[in-house]
Amino acid sequence: EVQLVESGGGLVQPGGSLRLSCAASGFTFSSYSMNWVRQAPGKGLEWVSYISSSSSTVYYADSVKGRFTISRDNAKNSLYLQMNSLRAEDTAVYSCARECAEGWCMAYWGQGILVTVSS
Amino acid sequence: EIVLTQSPGTLSLSPGERATLSCRASQIFSSSYLAWYQQKPGQAPRLLIYGASSRATGIPDRFSGSGSGTDFTLTISRLEPEDFAVYYCQQYGSSPPWTFGQGTKVEIK
Repeated sequence: EVQLVESGGGLVQPGGSLRLSCAASGFTFSSYSMNWVRQAPGKGLEWVSYISSSSSTVYYADSVKGRFTISRDNAKNSLYLQMNSLRAEDTAVYSCARECAEGWCMAYWGQGILVTVSS
Repeated sequence: EIVLTQSPGTLSLSPGERATLSCRASQIFSSSYLAWYQQKPGQAPRLLIYGASSRATGIPDRFSGSGSGTDFTLTISRLEPEDFAVYYCQQYGSSPPWTFGQGTKVEIK
């Protein structure tokens, strides 16, 4: 069974940093591209970042470019999101999502972890 | 950036009725890159449709997707009680940034 479990969220002051982790199991992690997606309270889904299976390609939403860094450790079956210079508008539930085996889509999602940016 | 606009914002229907959800893109892209997701309160999104018209594993055949170019549609042929949720379209895999529509809420009338 595919499982994606996020950790590392919490309350942080504006301008602060946080590192999110996503532990993957139930599939060959090194074979799949991964994404981070966030959802502000009461709002819709917003794609944040993408990383290819070998880490050779990364993409970011304009809203986080230059502040967030996506990375992965295939030996540890883990995905990361380093978030710096956090702003109030970064407050959201952050979820990791695995790319589909067939087609362009996100097949599996974690339950998400809440990040609150507030003084 | 490809902007996806979903309509209507809210759809009020009764169980057994047909639901038609629209997703319009700001520019043409291949239908291979269009997916639909369902999200219920407190739950992670669930993949319904990929490639505009292919149902994901385990998705009932009352869900169908269609469209090409800039206009895409998700149809639920007969609403079941468990289908009342928020639905998002997404363009993924074409040119980044990947984007979601703002969502359509299907609520019980």
